[in-house]
Amino acid sequence: EAGVVQSPRYKIIEKKQPVAFWCNPISGHNTLYWYRQNLGQGPELLIRYENEEAVDDSQLPKDRFSAERLKGVDSTLKIQPAELGDSAVYLCASSSPGYNSPLHFGNGTRLTVT
Amino acid sequence: AQKVTQAQTEISVVEKEDVTLDCVYETRDTTYYLFWYKQPPSGELVFLIRRNSFDEQNEISGRYSWNFQKSTSSFNFTITASQVVDSAVYFCALSEARYGGSQGNLIFGKGTKLSVKP
Repeated sequence: EAGVVQSPRYKIIEKKQPVAFWCNPISGHNTLYWYRQNLGQGPELLIRYENEEAVDDSQLPKDRFSAERLKGVDSTLKIQPAELGDSAVYLCASSSPGYNSPLHFGNGTRLTVT
Repeated sequence: AQKVTQAQTEISVVEKEDVTLDCVYETRDTTYYLFWYKQPPSGELVFLIRRNSFDEQNEISGRYSWNFQKSTSSFNFTITASQVVDSAVYFCALSEARYGGSQGNLIFGKGTKLSVKP
């Protein structure tokens, strides 16, 4: 099966600019996650979707971050405006229905804010 | 609060050596899941194993084995006869089981970077 697809792979922007990341989960996976991974750290959850509903966005900085998952498939994560501290790898993951299905991760988008 | 601690930041071994990666977790839940993921230089997190809190049996998969001990809140990972291809960052993670119908959020440790030299 095709894996989780993310684009772009790399993105370099100046601070205060907007940026968007795209994720296409594995077909049939109704749960989608966005994680942020800072250098030398483990990933941290930003938002989790069940189909098109955001069921956990408690760690999403809502003043500058937004996400959507229209039609419960693809998802977009946006930052506006970006800050230097947003430089990180943004990982998308998906999982199939089921109480303890493992997460399948994409390759991530490496964001550098200058 | 939930927490995962991987005290070993970096480990370097020579090929064919055995190596154990330590993971200690904290949770107030009685039902939870523990995971190990591998992150090679390509960046993708690769699922290795899931263990639920009621199953303390150790597991072996090829050169990989896992030792789960609830008494010490540890879930250690051993690679036997390491190979250069095992070089990667390995993450231990914890998930609560109270999210009905789907997996809860993963709480990751900071990872252990393993370098296997030929």
